[in-house]
Amino acid sequence: KAGVTQTPRYLIKTRGQQVTLSCSPISGHRSVSWYQQTPGQGLQFLFEYFSETQRNKGNFPGRFSGRQFSNSRSEMNVSTLELGDSALYLCASSDGGGSGANVLTFGAGSRLTVL
Amino acid sequence: GESVGLHLPTLSVQEGDNSIINCAYSNSASDYFIWYKQESGKGPQFIIDIRSNMDKRQGQRVTVLLNKTVKHLSLQIAATQPGDSAVYFCAENGAAGNKLTFGGGTRVLVKP
Repeated sequence: KAGVTQTPRYLIKTRGQQVTLSCSPISGHRSVSWYQQTPGQGLQFLFEYFSETQRNKGNFPGRFSGRQFSNSRSEMNVSTLELGDSALYLCASSDGGGSGANVLTFGAGSRLTVL
Repeated sequence: GESVGLHLPTLSVQEGDNSIINCAYSNSASDYFIWYKQESGKGPQFIIDIRSNMDKRQGQRVTVLLNKTVKHLSLQIAATQPGDSAVYFCAENGAAGNKLTFGGGTRVLVKP
């Protein structure tokens, strides 16, 4: 069974640009979550999508957005990039039951550097 | 706000010894707790989980202990091996769906 696939793995952008990251979940998983990992703030929750609907949202500005497609693949977008957006962006999938007691499987992440 | 173990200490352990990693959480409504391991260049990997109606759960070489009275979680690794060298994160979920709050992590270094 293929794991969670994130693309691209590495990318460099400049301030003011926008970026789109992609995540393909494990087959059959309907929940996709996104996390930002930085040395200073650690792992922080961005948002979760389940069956194409945003189910949970973290405390990030509106520049961070996401969506999920009917095949459960998800994308996240960051507009008007700032230096502080440099981070490892992690995607995780699960079969998504509403109880909250779900094992999340993470991808290897997309490393974004903003210059 | 919600917080789980905000520090990143380093635990240095001799190969073959047991390791204990601690984590404090602040959200008393959390009912699901997970430990993840992250190796360099990889995403977090699930180790073990525990629900709030339990105080202990064992896996292969790992045990998680939950003390809800003091809001404390620990991970015990038996007979620590070089492959156990990584950063370990605790996480909790008190929401419907998946919204994990992660601790700051503990780096484990295994000395041969």
